[in-house]
Amino acid sequence: AQSVTQPDIHITVSEGASLELRCNYSYGATPYLFWYVQSPGQGLQLLLKYFSGDTLVQGIKGFEAEFKRSQSSFNLRKPSVHWSDAAEYFCAVGGNNNNDMRFGAGTRLTVKP
Amino acid sequence: EAQVTQNPRYLITVTGKKLTVTCSQNMNHEYMSWYRQDPGLGLRQIYYSMNVEVTDKGDVPEGYKVSRKEKRNFPLILESPSPNQTSLYFCASRGAGRAHTQYFGPGTRLTVL
Repeated sequence: AQSVTQPDIHITVSEGASLELRCNYSYGATPYLFWYVQSPGQGLQLLLKYFSGDTLVQGIKGFEAEFKRSQSSFNLRKPSVHWSDAAEYFCAVGGNNNNDMRFGAGTRLTVKP
Repeated sequence: EAQVTQNPRYLITVTGKKLTVTCSQNMNHEYMSWYRQDPGLGLRQIYYSMNVEVTDKGDVPEGYKVSRKEKRNFPLILESPSPNQTSLYFCASRGAGRAHTQYFGPGTRLTVL
């Protein structure tokens, strides 16, 4: 079964600084990969997803992620963080079965003024 | 507006008192699922449904029941809640294909005393 690791439980960045959130997955074939964001008291919102094709994926709110098969990674990036980006971020991997989406434990992002 | 709704949003109950958390979606989605979110564990799937009258277990189904009598509704039933079911619960839905975006409800915070 596939799995997802988000190595960083909590990250703090200054507003305006760049951001990279790490995600590593384990899956035998080409996975479906997702990044979700969860603001306090809210449900999960999809930021971006990768299924095939261009390995650099653009999402909403200025986020992007790059699929690197050789490293089994799908890191999320943003060039300049805004205070409103403070939230929890989840990476998820899905495969060929309908019930096999797996989520990472999440990375909580704090943005310093 | 396309959305997934859950009720109640907050619930405090006692051990053994049966409860139901409702979930409804207005997007005519075939696939619906329930997750629980616990600190450090991310989201784990409880049950999912591919369509009306078709349900199956996810990773953590013990202590839960579901039903899918109508396409739009997918209630989660706890027949005899226990304190280890204290958690944040999310309902989600998507179209039939795995490439479809999964939409999440706002969450239900359940406390079992």
